[in-house]
Amino acid sequence: AQSVTQLGSHVSVSEGALVLLRCNYSSSVPPYLFWYVQYPNQGLQLLLKYTSAATLVKGINGFEAEFKKSETSFHLTKPSAHMSDAAEYFCAVSEGAAGNKLTFGGGTRVLVKP
Amino acid sequence: KAGVTQTPRYLIKTRGQQVTLSCSPISGHRSVSWYQQTPGQGLQFLFEYFSETQRNKGNFPGRFSGRQFSNSRSEMNVSTLELGDSALYLCASSLESSRVGEQYFGPGTRLTVT
Repeated sequence: AQSVTQLGSHVSVSEGALVLLRCNYSSSVPPYLFWYVQYPNQGLQLLLKYTSAATLVKGINGFEAEFKKSETSFHLTKPSAHMSDAAEYFCAVSEGAAGNKLTFGGGTRVLVKP
Repeated sequence: KAGVTQTPRYLIKTRGQQVTLSCSPISGHRSVSWYQQTPGQGLQFLFEYFSETQRNKGNFPGRFSGRQFSNSRSEMNVSTLELGDSALYLCASSLESSRVGEQYFGPGTRLTVT
């Protein structure tokens, strides 16, 4: 069975500082990995996805993530935080079998301080 | 292109009642998935429909059911509501099974059971 662990339910960063959100996964087959963002009172928006092509994946809004098979990790980073990055971020895994079942991590809420 | 729409956005029901939630996917998308989001359990997969057939199912009791119509619109039904069913219910649509995980989420229906 697949699972996702996000380290840190809350992260506080200063505007302009590095954003680093950690995600570790467990999967019995090569996984598909995703990061989603959720703003208050909204649904989820896809930031980026890894599907076994390049291990460094670039997404929207300046975010990127690196797939490290040896560490079973898929950490999300952004070099310089902006106030608009304040939101909740979810890492998710799919085993790629027929269908679109996603298993999500617990989420990390990001607070950006001016 | 219009995004995923969910109706109603907010709903208050009494324990023991039943409820039906509706989801209209992005035009051309044939896969519709449903997720439950609660503060305690996070985001959990309910089920996925593709071409009017349930393709994947999560670990929820039989009180939770769904269906998909020929125009890809989907409904989910919860019978005999319990207080613990209070949650944000998110619907997501995908173009087809080959694009694993590239799901587009609606804004959700917030269900409150009293």
